[in-house]
Amino acid sequence: GENVEQHPSTLSVQEGDSAVIKCTYSDSASNYFPWYKQELGKRPQLIIDIRSNVGEKKDQRIAVTLNKTAKHFSLHITETQPEDSAVYFCAAPEGNTGFQKLVFGTGTRLLVSP
Amino acid sequence: EAQVTQNPRYLITVTGKKLTVTCSQNMNHEYMSWYRQDPGLGLRQIYYSMNVEVTDKGDVPEGYKVSRKEKRNFPLILESPSPNQTSLYFCASSFPIPGNEQFFGPGTRLTVL
Repeated sequence: GENVEQHPSTLSVQEGDSAVIKCTYSDSASNYFPWYKQELGKRPQLIIDIRSNVGEKKDQRIAVTLNKTAKHFSLHITETQPEDSAVYFCAAPEGNTGFQKLVFGTGTRLLVSP
Repeated sequence: EAQVTQNPRYLITVTGKKLTVTCSQNMNHEYMSWYRQDPGLGLRQIYYSMNVEVTDKGDVPEGYKVSRKEKRNFPLILESPSPNQTSLYFCASSFPIPGNEQFFGPGTRLTVL
């Protein structure tokens, strides 16, 4: 089955800096890679995703890059703000199963200091 | 409002006392899933369901049961809870085609004494 590894487990940055979180996956058939943000005491919510037919996707200050050859994908947050402080999870589907069974990484706690 | 609801939100119980955590969604999603979240371990899938009367084990199913008698409901049952099931539980739902957003419920914090 799919194995997703996520690094780092914690990341502290100053406001305005960039933050990068990296994930690797094991199943070469995986074709969809979402990122979820979980604020303290809240539920995880999708912030961005990428499919295997593109290498990069941007949405304002966040971007995701995908390297299918190396089987890794990364979340990039530029000009970080205190409200970006949260736990971020990457995920990948359980291979090409044809349905939505996601395997999540262990999470990265991002702390943005003013 | 499109949403996933869970009840109860908080529960403290004792070892061996059967309990049920309810999950309901109003988005007509076929796919529903239960996760537990523990520090340092991320979100681990307990059980999932592709549709009514179709359920399957996730990565950590031991000690849990589920049922899917109606499309909107997917209860999680702990027949004999143990302290190692103390955790934060999330229900999620989505359309089944890969690439559709999974919507999470608000979470249920369970403590088993």
